[in-house]
Amino acid sequence: GNSVTQMEGPVTLSEEAFLTINCTYTATGYPSLFWYVQYPGEGLQLLLKATKADDKGSNKGFEATYRKETTSFHLEKGSVQVSDSAVYFCALSVSTGANSKLTFGKGITLSVRP
Amino acid sequence: EPEVTQTPSHQVTQMGQEVILRCVPISNHLYFYWYRQILGQKVEFLVSFYNNEISEKSEIFDDQFSVERPDGSNFTLKIRSTKLEDSAMYFCASSEPGLAGGSTRAYNEQFFGPGTRLTVL
Repeated sequence: GNSVTQMEGPVTLSEEAFLTINCTYTATGYPSLFWYVQYPGEGLQLLLKATKADDKGSNKGFEATYRKETTSFHLEKGSVQVSDSAVYFCALSVSTGANSKLTFGKGITLSVRP
Repeated sequence: EPEVTQTPSHQVTQMGQEVILRCVPISNHLYFYWYRQILGQKVEFLVSFYNNEISEKSEIFDDQFSVERPDGSNFTLKIRSTKLEDSAMYFCASSEPGLAGGSTRAYNEQFFGPGTRLTVL
């Protein structure tokens, strides 16, 4: 079956620190990969995505590269801000159509100190 | 900006009672989903819904669960007889119709609501 494994949290960083959040996956078929973010009191929002090997998704200074050889999709940001404090979910979708279920990891809470 | 809304934000119920969780998807979306997250565990897919019928459901979505789009705007999840293990955060999501031609690699973003926290006592 399909599964996503995220590193254990929570993660606490100082502002302007470098961020890496690890994510690995197993999938039957060729998945699309995603990072979702949930800010306090809000729903999950799509942060970035990649649909094929070696694609790099990027948004708001965050990046993640689809690594098929290591089945990974690690999230990175060079300089975090207090406003990045949120829960981050790695997810995949294996679909033969344009709409299908997402398989999520457990999520990791990031807290950024001023 | 259009958003998915969910009510209530927190529902407390006694074991064995029926609960209905409500969602208002984005108005032009046609695909609807429910997910749940038990505290400390993964977000899990429950069910997807399109054209007034279930498209796909997980093993979790047994006979105690049902979904309905009663009036063209609301999308509801009903749990007939709640169990302690149903305590979780329930997320609703919606997405636009698929691309014409049905690209096999296409993905239409799912927009999520803020969730309903269900506590079963």
